[in-house]
Amino acid sequence: DAGVTQSPTHLIKTRGQQVTLRCSPKSGHDTVSWYQQALGQGPQFIFQYYEEEERQRGNFPDRFSGHQFPNYSSELNVNALLLGDSALYLCASSLGGGQGVDTQYFGPGTRLTVL
Amino acid sequence: KQEVTQIPAALSVPEGENLVLNCSFTDSAIYNLQWFRQDPGKGLTSLLLIQSSQREQTSGRLNASLDKSSGRSTLYIAASQPGDSATYLCAVNLGWGKFQFGAGTQVVVTP
Repeated sequence: DAGVTQSPTHLIKTRGQQVTLRCSPKSGHDTVSWYQQALGQGPQFIFQYYEEEERQRGNFPDRFSGHQFPNYSSELNVNALLLGDSALYLCASSLGGGQGVDTQYFGPGTRLTVL
Repeated sequence: KQEVTQIPAALSVPEGENLVLNCSFTDSAIYNLQWFRQDPGKGLTSLLLIQSSQREQTSGRLNASLDKSSGRSTLYIAASQPGDSATYLCAVNLGWGKFQFGAGTQVVVTP
């Protein structure tokens, strides 16, 4: 049973560029959440997708956008990259559209470096 | 606004000693609380999930307690081993899958 997968593993971009990160959820899961983790800090919630719609959003600017496909996989897009966007981007999947979402399973992350 | 705090930020213990990791949160309106382990540069591994109606949850050498009214959770790891060295994070579920994390406690278990 494949767990949560993310691609690419590492990415180097320059300021002002755009980037797309990809995530495939754990088999059977229908909900995908994205987090940004700066060095030495806990993950910060970016947004969550369920049934191909953004259901929840954290305190991130509109430069951060996403998409969920019919097969439940998801993309995170970041436009006009800033140096401060350098971080580990984590994808988490879970099951359910209810209010009390259960256990989240995390992927290995994508390390984004902005120069 | 919910705030999640983990103290201490770092902890070093000799092998065999029990570990006690603390997590506090300011708003008791949570659906559940989850403890994770993170190895350097890696993703998060779920350790234990405690529903808001539960007081504790156990898995092997791990035991987590939850006191919602006081906004506290504690993760106990019995008889620590060098392989337990990692960063431990707690996260509270605010509803509809929105989780808020603490900054983590970095643990080193020395042989």
